[in-house]
Amino acid sequence: QKEVEQNSGPLSVPEGAIASLNCTYSDRGSQSFFWYRQYSGKSPELIMFIYSNGDKEDGRFTAQLNKASQYVSLLIRDSQPSDSATYLCAVWEARGSYIPTFGRGTSLIVHP
Amino acid sequence: DAGVTQSPTHLIKTRGQQVTLRCSPKSGHDTVSWYQQALGQGPQFIFQYYEEEERQRGNFPDRFSGHQFPNYSSELNVNALLLGDSALYLCASSSGIPPGDEQFFGPGTRLTVL
Repeated sequence: QKEVEQNSGPLSVPEGAIASLNCTYSDRGSQSFFWYRQYSGKSPELIMFIYSNGDKEDGRFTAQLNKASQYVSLLIRDSQPSDSATYLCAVWEARGSYIPTFGRGTSLIVHP
Repeated sequence: DAGVTQSPTHLIKTRGQQVTLRCSPKSGHDTVSWYQQALGQGPQFIFQYYEEEERQRGNFPDRFSGHQFPNYSSELNVNALLLGDSALYLCASSSGIPPGDEQFFGPGTRLTVL
């Protein structure tokens, strides 16, 4: 049973701070890692994905992957109240099948 | 481009009934994936269609079936509805798997089973 674990939160940060969202996964065969943002009552929207160990930056967002520790994180710099949402981590296996496993998400609250 | 569209938006059914949900992918996308998202949970992968065939399937019973049409649109059918089938059903379209940065979810269909 593949597992993707996220702290459900809520994680509360002040406006302008760095929000750090974490995700661990159980399957060492996992190859692709995706972060989504989901506003309440809406569908998920892709923020970014990462395949290789290290950091990947896109605007205010940085994804960090450590396959040895089976750990992926998302940093949001200069957090804004509009970033308040649930952040979902998804892990795709690449051995023989491409089936994604999602975590249950972390609720982020950015307060002014 | 309308993006990914789903219909209906909301649906109320009773136990034992059957339901069909529909999805039209974003223009240029040939792969459709379906997910079930219960309240407070992450999406769970149901299955994925490419070239009118079911390519991958998650851990869902045979009551869940689907179809993809030549224009890449897709249907999700659920038979013998159970109370536990109440959830938000999401369709996602992409061009290829894994989806890369071209992956978009539709607005979802909220199914309530009474």
